[in-house]
Amino acid sequence: DIQMTQSPSLLSASIGDRVTITCRASQGISTYLAWVQQKPGKAPKSLIYGASRLQSGVPSKFSGSGSGTDFTLTITYLQPEDFATYYCQQYDSYPHTFGQGTKLEIK
Amino acid sequence: QVRLQESGPGLVKPSETLSLTCTVSGGSISTYYWSWIRQPPGKGVEWIGYIHYSETPKYNPSLKSRVTMSVDTSRNQFSLTLTSLTGADTAVYYCAAGWGSHWGAPGSWGQGTLVTVSS
Repeated sequence: DIQMTQSPSLLSASIGDRVTITCRASQGISTYLAWVQQKPGKAPKSLIYGASRLQSGVPSKFSGSGSGTDFTLTITYLQPEDFATYYCQQYDSYPHTFGQGTKLEIK
Repeated sequence: QVRLQESGPGLVKPSETLSLTCTVSGGSISTYYWSWIRQPPGKGVEWIGYIHYSETPKYNPSLKSRVTMSVDTSRNQFSLTLTSLTGADTAVYYCAAGWGSHWGAPGSWGQGTLVTVSS
């Protein structure tokens, strides 16, 4: 299985900040990388697919980049509704696998 | 956008079989790739597998011998069956839909249903 490793696991930031979360795959996955956001008690919400493509309706404050093994999710101008847990997911190879998650909390 | 709703028992006994259904609205069952994904309480996310109405389903090898997925085009539903349950199968189970060339990144998720395995 491809292992997905996110860093950091916990990220403290303030309203208005810009933050970056990284995701590393244990082997190359081209750009078959997605990012999802999950708030407590809620279903995950898809943000990005294809490493950098925004899902419909997702604001442009979210952006993704990378290819191969190293990827990033950047969120600009943090607002209260952005504080959540973020997961990366690879869908290049079976089984599809998720990172362990990055919890973004208010500083 | 397609909408999904999971249904099934909230409590199942160890060694028994879990059956979950996902009802699809706002889209045709034959258009999308359907996934099941689960999340144990307080833990990470695990991909269970996917099915497309015209393809052989693909399952996570960690569950392969216990899992079956199927599609009911007449009811616009798809389902998950998981046998020989243990406490490790306690989780929130999500159904999800993907489409296009990046179908593996589900664009729509159901709200999830908590399944507890306990006697």
